[in-house]
Amino acid sequence: GENVEQHPSTLSVQEGDSAVIKCTYSDSASNYFPWYKQELGKRPQLIIDIRSNVGEKKDQRIAVTLNKTAKHFSLHITETQPEDSAVYFCAASKGFSGGYNKLIFGAGTRLAVHP
Amino acid sequence: GAVVSQHPSWVICKSGTSVKIECRSLDFQATTMFWYRQFPKQSLMLMATSNEGSKATYEQGVEKDKFLINHASLTLSTLTVTSAHPEDSSFYICSARDPRASSYEQYFGPGTRLTVT
Repeated sequence: GENVEQHPSTLSVQEGDSAVIKCTYSDSASNYFPWYKQELGKRPQLIIDIRSNVGEKKDQRIAVTLNKTAKHFSLHITETQPEDSAVYFCAASKGFSGGYNKLIFGAGTRLAVHP
Repeated sequence: GAVVSQHPSWVICKSGTSVKIECRSLDFQATTMFWYRQFPKQSLMLMATSNEGSKATYEQGVEKDKFLINHASLTLSTLTVTSAHPEDSSFYICSARDPRASSYEQYFGPGTRLTVT
């Protein structure tokens, strides 16, 4: 079945360093790959997303890269700040209407940014 | 962006009782909504796809007779946990996509924390 693997499960960095989280998906029909930040007890918050017709997307300190051939995508956070500390989830979907929109989530990465 | 609400935000119920959770799209109509469950320190697991006017589609391993889903209108889906047990205690979150948008972004409700005693 559909599966998304995410690594690492925990990541600890010093403030100002970069952080990279990687995900691999199994369904080659997937064409939409969002990244979410979730703080304790709150809803997931979309931080960046990418469609399969794009190889890279950047938004200030956050970037996502996609390799369709290898079926993996990565989140890059530069100049990390303590407020970036949270759990990050990658997800994949087929992006069409109706049930194809369903998101399959990775297991999550707990990022800790130390001052 | 679009807004999805959930009610209640938290609920405590006794073992064996049923509890209903509502998910509403406030500023758009959603023919499809999704229900997720999240246990502490774990990921979001898709439970079912709620389809307006038809039966929900459940993911493998999710008991459809225990988790009843009703999508009676274009702005409301409900999840009823029947005969709840302590192991059903979890964070339940719904989501929906605004069909008017060109983006594939899904909007999540704030979640409902269910505690079964």
